[in-house]
Amino acid sequence: GNSVTQMEGPVTLSEEAFLTINCTYTATGYPSLFWYVQYPGEGLQLLLKATKADDKGSNKGFEATYRKETTSFHLEKGSVQVSDSAVYFCALLIYNQGGKLIFGQGTELSVKP
Amino acid sequence: NAGVTQTPKFRILKIGQSMTLQCAQDMNHNYMYWYRQDPGMGLKLIYYSVGAGITDKGEVPNGYNVSRSTTEDFPLRLELAAPSQTSVYFCASSYSGLVSGNTEAFFGQGTRLTVV
Repeated sequence: GNSVTQMEGPVTLSEEAFLTINCTYTATGYPSLFWYVQYPGEGLQLLLKATKADDKGSNKGFEATYRKETTSFHLEKGSVQVSDSAVYFCALLIYNQGGKLIFGQGTELSVKP
Repeated sequence: NAGVTQTPKFRILKIGQSMTLQCAQDMNHNYMYWYRQDPGMGLKLIYYSVGAGITDKGEVPNGYNVSRSTTEDFPLRLELAAPSQTSVYFCASSYSGLVSGNTEAFFGQGTRLTVV
């Protein structure tokens, strides 16, 4: 079936460290891929997206590239800040099922000063 | 800009009680969704609606009901609360559905429900 797998958390980094959060997916057809972020006590917000193979989504210093050959959409940031502490969700859009988002389990990131 | 508003933010229910989680959006979105978020499990789709008068089941609809009498409102009903329904519930909306991949979903702040 269709699914999204993210790396286990929590991930703890020092400020200015490099961040990678792995995301791989299984899907039929040609899905769109998303990263959502959830700050403490809030709902989810779209961070970035990519709608086709080799697209790169970017926002607020975060980037992710849609890799069809490895079925991956890893999230990266060159220098994290304390304010990036949040839970990050990778998600997959299934075109032929009414536009339903399939989410990964989430990865908690904690950035220490 | 209110966006997607959910009420209540927190609720404790006893087993067998019923309640309605409210969700309203003021963006004139036609697609609306209900998700539940369990620890370490990501979000699971409960029900969704593509417009007023139309609803459909998601991945985990058992124990829930929805209605969509207006474009703005999409309430989620729990008829006989069970401990397995302890979760955080999120409502979301989008303009034309997510089928094209070119529109985003906007989420409410969530309702934390505990069934004891």
